[in-house]
Amino acid sequence: GQNIDQPTEMTATEGAIVQINCTYQTSGFNGLFWYQQHAGEAPTFLSYNVLDGLEEKGRFSSFLSRSKGYSYLLLKELQMKDSASYLCAVRDWVQGGKLIFGQGTELSVKP
Amino acid sequence: DVKVTQSSRYLVKRTGEKVFLECVQDMDHENMFWYRQDPGLGLRLIYFSYDVKMKEKGDIPEGYSVSREKKERFSLILESASTNQTSMYLCASTQGTGYEQYFGPGTRLTVT
Repeated sequence: GQNIDQPTEMTATEGAIVQINCTYQTSGFNGLFWYQQHAGEAPTFLSYNVLDGLEEKGRFSSFLSRSKGYSYLLLKELQMKDSASYLCAVRDWVQGGKLIFGQGTELSVKP
Repeated sequence: DVKVTQSSRYLVKRTGEKVFLECVQDMDHENMFWYRQDPGLGLRLIYFSYDVKMKEKGDIPEGYSVSREKKERFSLILESASTNQTSMYLCASTQGTGYEQYFGPGTRLTVT
């Protein structure tokens, strides 16, 4: 079966660093995506990992370990506008390449 | 920029009505998807399509059908709306399975 777990809520302070973890179990892993979703808006793409290691994109980085079924999204120099829900999604080739989404982590950035 | 548009941001329908949700993308993407998003349940796939006239069931297809007559347009149909179909509906498209999905703004449907 498939299962994706991420924390429901996190709180961090403006200017700080926060790490949002995602663990997954899938039949045929074929890539992991992170999306950001502000309240009332559509999800927007942040990052994609298919090989082990760290992908850096400005203030955001994403890490993947396929052997551990684990990924994290790292947000540096937090800003108030980073308050949003962060969705981890895994592509499963056994499921025809569909994306399977976690429930999302609601991040609140405080001043 | 990829643009995915949905016909309505907010919709209120009565139980038993037939409901059409339209989605249009302007980037010639092959693949299109319909999700619903509910608190505590995340995004769940209803139906998807890899080509014109082609459709595949997702994880929760019951009570829904879809239509893809043109490449750019993917419609979600609720044959007889029920209150448990009150939700946020999101359409997405992608150029292929190795690429990110682009989402529309969503339609918040309320069935009374």
